[in-house]
Amino acid sequence: AQSVAQPEDQVNVAEGNPLTVKCTYSVSGNPYLFWYVQYPNRGLQFLLKYITGDNLVKGSYGFEAEFNKSQTSFHLKKPSALVSDSALYFCAVRDITGGGNKLTFGTGTQLKVEL
Amino acid sequence: EAGVAQSPRYKIIEKRQSVAFWCNPISGHATLYWYQQILGQGPKLLIQFQNNGVVDDSQLPKDRFSAERLKGVDSTLKIQPAKLEDSAVYLCASSLIPGTANTGELFFGEGSRLTVL
Repeated sequence: AQSVAQPEDQVNVAEGNPLTVKCTYSVSGNPYLFWYVQYPNRGLQFLLKYITGDNLVKGSYGFEAEFNKSQTSFHLKKPSALVSDSALYFCAVRDITGGGNKLTFGTGTQLKVEL
Repeated sequence: EAGVAQSPRYKIIEKRQSVAFWCNPISGHATLYWYQQILGQGPKLLIQFQNNGVVDDSQLPKDRFSAERLKGVDSTLKIQPAKLEDSAVYLCASSLIPGTANTGELFFGEGSRLTVL
């Protein structure tokens, strides 16, 4: 089965500093990887995805993610964090086994950006 | 473009009562999903429909949960009878049918928060 792991429950960073939210994956075949963000009392919003091609993927709100096949990682990054980036971030992998098309999510990482 | 609509946003019930949630997907999206998100955890797929057929319901507790998608558009998720551990946010999502033109992105609604007392 496809799976992703987010090793950090929480990440704290000062505003203006770079941020990294970690994700590792375990898949059979080519991975389709996603990052979603969830603000309090809201649904999940799509940030970016890796399907194929460049290992550095650019997404919404200045976020990017680096796909590393040798380390089976897909870390989310942003060069300069904002207080408004504080939210819950989920890594996900596409699972098409059995003819389905579901996303399997990690446990989430709470990002807190402080002044 | 209108997003995924869900109702109600919040529901409080006592254990052993029943509850129903409604979802209207993005127009043209043939695939609809119900996820359960328990506080502090990632969303877990309960059921996936393609048009009005079930693709995956392997993690749906069928003794108390049921879902339907009549006419291949709107969907309802029902819990009867509810247990304390059903307290969670129920997220509905939709997507295009998987294929070479669909990279698997899901679009989520705001969720329905259920509290079982």
